[in-house]
Amino acid sequence: SAVISQKPSRDICQRGTSLTIQCQVDSQVTMMFWYRQQPGQSLTLIATANQGSEATYESGFVIDKFPISRPNLTFSTLTVSNMSPEDSSIYLCSVRQGIEQFFGPGTRLTVL
Amino acid sequence: GEDVEQSLFLSVREGDSSVINCTYTDSSSTYLYWYKQEPGAGLQLLTYIFSNMDMKQDQRLTVLLNKKDKHLSLRIADTQTGDSAIYFCAETSGSGGYQKVTFGTGTKLQVIP
Repeated sequence: SAVISQKPSRDICQRGTSLTIQCQVDSQVTMMFWYRQQPGQSLTLIATANQGSEATYESGFVIDKFPISRPNLTFSTLTVSNMSPEDSSIYLCSVRQGIEQFFGPGTRLTVL
Repeated sequence: GEDVEQSLFLSVREGDSSVINCTYTDSSSTYLYWYKQEPGAGLQLLTYIFSNMDMKQDQRLTVLLNKKDKHLSLRIADTQTGDSAIYFCAETSGSGGYQKVTFGTGTKLQVIP
């Protein structure tokens, strides 16, 4: 199974600032995703990170708010821009290998 | 559209069996997953089942799939305190190069010693 690491593991940020979350995978993967898990909630897909092209965003999520980079097959970043307290969540990177989908440990973000 | 529902909470005694239920709406789902999330941790893939199967067993875990009723269950035999966690079922939707995984609401399993 893929081993996924994320940085930072947690952060506390001020309203109006931006935070970039990094995701590193130990093997090359085609399909890479970013999810959000709000407190006490299930996971919601933000976008699919496409290598070499723009990310594919789900309904309710836009590139200006959540810009994503995917420079190669093992790395991606998600930026949470112009943060507000409503952005306080766990952000999870995920990859698919065959039919199995694996998750990183998550980045716990608190916005004050 | 996709909508995956689970009961919110289940409490069992250590040594008993736990059954966590899930209903989904996308009849074209090709496979369904069960994930475990321990406090403060990411999601761990426990098992998955293809939509053309009705049962899958893996050690203490048994997955049952009723396609007609779009009902999925996870049975944990001999439940241990280490099984206390939130369990998510998930379904796939879409086809070809774009397949999306939709997660259920999660069931919090509490194991009483």
